[in-house]
Amino acid sequence: DSGVTQTPKHLITATGQRVTLRCSPRSGDLSVYWYQQSLDQGLQFLIQYYNGEERAKGNILERFSAQQFPDLHSELNLSSLELGDSALYFCASSVRTGGTEAFFGQGTRLTVV
Amino acid sequence: AQKVTQAQTEISVVEKEDVTLDCVYETRDTTYYLFWYKQPPSGELVFLIRRNSFDEQNEISGRYSWNFQKSTSSFNFTITASQVVDSAVYFCALRGISGGYNKLIFGAGTRLAVHP
Repeated sequence: DSGVTQTPKHLITATGQRVTLRCSPRSGDLSVYWYQQSLDQGLQFLIQYYNGEERAKGNILERFSAQQFPDLHSELNLSSLELGDSALYFCASSVRTGGTEAFFGQGTRLTVV
Repeated sequence: AQKVTQAQTEISVVEKEDVTLDCVYETRDTTYYLFWYKQPPSGELVFLIRRNSFDEQNEISGRYSWNFQKSTSSFNFTITASQVVDSAVYFCALRGISGGYNKLIFGAGTRLAVHP
């Protein structure tokens, strides 16, 4: 158990809908990362927050947004969902930025039908 | 640009065989960090090891060992006496200063199947 909690584990929704994925980082970790894993794109970095502030953006679509709350949990919002958004979405956390290792949650498997 | 290449897409071995997973990276950074993660069939990503660019010592942890060679930009992972529980997808990843240390660049992964 990495200590990173993601909910829900599975999500099935229709095209055009909006969903929210939730992540609770390990106790004491200030940095949260979101990754998308799909068969064709592999593991892609989406966005990072550190202590409530956005620190880096990767290949995140404009339809996607995220935030980190004062209690350090984070949410990833996906809207106007398309079939191609079906993927495994991971949250990871680390104590700080820099070279520290990141610990990953179990992921949320999103299926858009 | 930063890049991680895992040329082996799939490897199949019989239990107790030794197996080496290759990882080649590209970066212009002088300071960077390399990682290996394991993704078992259950789907979670499990951290295995971190190595910084200034430490080329090889590391051994039980049946696992890692060989870091800056001269060839490689960070290979060897499992000795493989077991069925080692069956998983293994990812090599890079984090460097040019990326603001903010993101892990993952390779495509190597799927290891260990058969009884």
